[in-house]
Amino acid sequence: AQSVTQLDSQVPVFEEAPVELRCNYSSSVSVYLFWYVQYPNQGLQLLLKYLSGSTLVKGINGFEAEFNKSQTSFHLRKPSVHISDTAEYFCAVSDQRDSSYKLIFGSGTRLLVRP
Amino acid sequence: KAGVTQTPRYLIKTRGQQVTLSCSPISGHRSVSWYQQTPGQGLQFLFEYFSETQRNKGNFPGRFSGRQFSNSRSEMNVSTLELGDSALYLCASSLSRTVETQYFGPGTRLLVL
Repeated sequence: AQSVTQLDSQVPVFEEAPVELRCNYSSSVSVYLFWYVQYPNQGLQLLLKYLSGSTLVKGINGFEAEFNKSQTSFHLRKPSVHISDTAEYFCAVSDQRDSSYKLIFGSGTRLLVRP
Repeated sequence: KAGVTQTPRYLIKTRGQQVTLSCSPISGHRSVSWYQQTPGQGLQFLFEYFSETQRNKGNFPGRFSGRQFSNSRSEMNVSTLELGDSALYLCASSLSRTVETQYFGPGTRLLVL
């Protein structure tokens, strides 16, 4: 079964600094990959997704992620963060072979942007 | 276009009671999935409904159930509530049975005392 690992539970960073949030998944076979953001007391908002094609995926709010099949990773990056990026970020995977159409989520990484 | 709506947004119940949560998908969307979010277990898939039929269910006890109506609105029910059922319950909708274009609602926060 698929699993997702987000090794960093919290990442503190200063405003305007670059950030990388790490995500590794268990299998490289036929997966869809997603990053979601959750602001306090809100639901999940899709930042970006990898379905196929180019391994560099650009999303909303200046975020991007790179799919690395050999390392089974899908790290999220932003070159310059803002205070408003403070939120919890979830990496998720879906197995294309799985007919359940469900997302498997990582445990989340809390991004804390300091002035 | 209105997004996914969930009612109520907050709910307080006591152990042993039952609760019903509602989810209205985006207009035209026919698939609804439910997820439970807790600090300990994270985000876990509960079940998925499509065309009024439960298509898949996650690893949850039978106390968790749901249904979908002909207008695609969905309800989930938890009977005999336990303290551990305290969670944020998220609903997601999509046009068809796919995760590629799934939109999440704001969630219902349930507190069991």
